[in-house]
Amino acid sequence: SDELTQPPSVSVSPGQTARITCSGDVLSKYYTYWYQQRPGQAPLLIIYKDSERPSGIPERFSGSSSGTTVTLTISGVQAEDEADYYCQTADGFGTYYVFGSGTKVSVL
Amino acid sequence: QVQLVQSGAEVKKPGASIKVSCKTSGYSFTGHYIHWVRQAPGQGLEWMGWINPNNGATNSAQNFQGRISVTRVTSINTVYMELTTLTSDDTAVYFCARESADTAGNYFDYWGQGSLVTVSS
Repeated sequence: SDELTQPPSVSVSPGQTARITCSGDVLSKYYTYWYQQRPGQAPLLIIYKDSERPSGIPERFSGSSSGTTVTLTISGVQAEDEADYYCQTADGFGTYYVFGSGTKVSVL
Repeated sequence: QVQLVQSGAEVKKPGASIKVSCKTSGYSFTGHYIHWVRQAPGQGLEWMGWINPNNGATNSAQNFQGRISVTRVTSINTVYMELTTLTSDDTAVYFCARESADTAGNYFDYWGQGSLVTVSS
């Protein structure tokens, strides 16, 4: 299957750790990227090539990969991290780009 | 600084077409693919297609083939996305996004602000 599956929601208390998974057969072959989207805003790249962090993204955001599942970890969650998070992959040949179903992170 | 500025919100009737623009600045226009991604109300992100501004080559998701046309005008660093035969299911925010020049990765490093398209009779 070409689909990427994420849990619909994750709830976490401030200061705790949130883990968001993204599963799909294709993830064992291609890099994964993560985006944060706050309400009414465009997505923001927060992780690229499985675990790299763009300039300006806080260190509390990290990514890891194992087989067909990748994980976005937010350590020491802050209220401002409340948002939707999407994983994304592509085949590297320009023919296939897909987003995960999205996970809403709620900070209690 | 890199900017992608999109055209404004539009309301269309079923069966009509929409053309959304994405004006880029702050980087070499021909050096990065531009993609279109849409988001229906309360839903996730859906990739639609891309254009290579250097030569005009395009590709689109199977869901949109036959209905989508992505073009560019290099003199004004602008990309256009036209979607035809609109239905209510096409009501969404449409984003343009720049693909990174990283040869080892295919991700979107800058996004437009989004253009709301409402299809309603």
